Amino acid sequence: AQSVTQLDSQVPVFEEAPVELRCNYSSSVSVYLFWYVQYPNQGLQLLLKYLSGSTLVKGINGFEAEFNKSQTSFHLRKPSVHISDTAEYFCAVSWMDSSYKLIFGSGTRLLVRP
Amino acid sequence: GAGVSQSPSNKVTEKGKDVELRCDPISGHTALYWYRQSLGQGLEFLIYFQGNSAPDKSGLPSDRFSAERTGGSVSTLTIQRTQQEDSAVYLCASSLARVTNTEAFFGQGTRLTVV
Repeated sequence: AQSVTQLDSQVPVFEEAPVELRCNYSSSVSVYLFWYVQYPNQGLQLLLKYLSGSTLVKGINGFEAEFNKSQTSFHLRKPSVHISDTAEYFCAVSWMDSSYKLIFGSGTRLLVRP
Repeated sequence: GAGVSQSPSNKVTEKGKDVELRCDPISGHTALYWYRQSLGQGLEFLIYFQGNSAPDKSGLPSDRFSAERTGGSVSTLTIQRTQQEDSAVYLCASSLARVTNTEAFFGQGTRLTVV
C-alpha cells in the first residue's frame, strides 16, 4: 500500500539553527511531492511542491526540499529557523496512478526555542 | 469567498446522534476533498469530488459516513450514529483541477467530539 512516513513526531531546535524534517514514501513509481505547514489555529498551507524538473525545490519562508528518487525521500530543510517557524509540517505524496489523491504523513511538529 | 469555509468550527455530539459537516469551497474550484485528522495522526483521505460526482469514496471508514456535493459547490459530510472513534478534525480542501496541477486550499476544519 502507498504510504508516507515522517519518522520524527517532534523536532526541537534553537532559533537560527538549521533544521531538516524527514519524509520517506513507499514506492519509487512516479510521484508528485508536497510539504504543507499548519500554524497554530490555522489551516494547512502549501510550502512547496515537486512535480518534475530540478530535484531541489524552493518554497516560501526560506524552506527548500530535495527529491531523492533512489532513497524515496523528500526531506525539508531550512538553514536558519525563526521562532515564527514553530508549526506542524506535513509531507504529502500523490502517485501518478491516482494523481488526484494526496496521501499525508503523520506530521512533524517543529518547535523553535529562543 | 476568499478561502475554503467550513462549519461548524466545533461540534460536540452525543454518541449515536447524526452530524452534518459543511464545506464551502473557493468559487470556481471543481475538485473538493475531505480528510480526517485524528490526534497524533496524519491526514486520512476520505472522499474526492470532481464537480458533483465522487469518483473516489475509498477512504470513507464505514457505511455510516456519506457525502454529497450540490451545484458543483457546497459539500456536506454526514456521519450517522456517531461513535467515539469518530472524534477528529474533519478538513475540507478544494482546487481548480487535479491537486497535482494546482494547489489544494484547505479550510480550518471542523473539530468533532463525540461524548
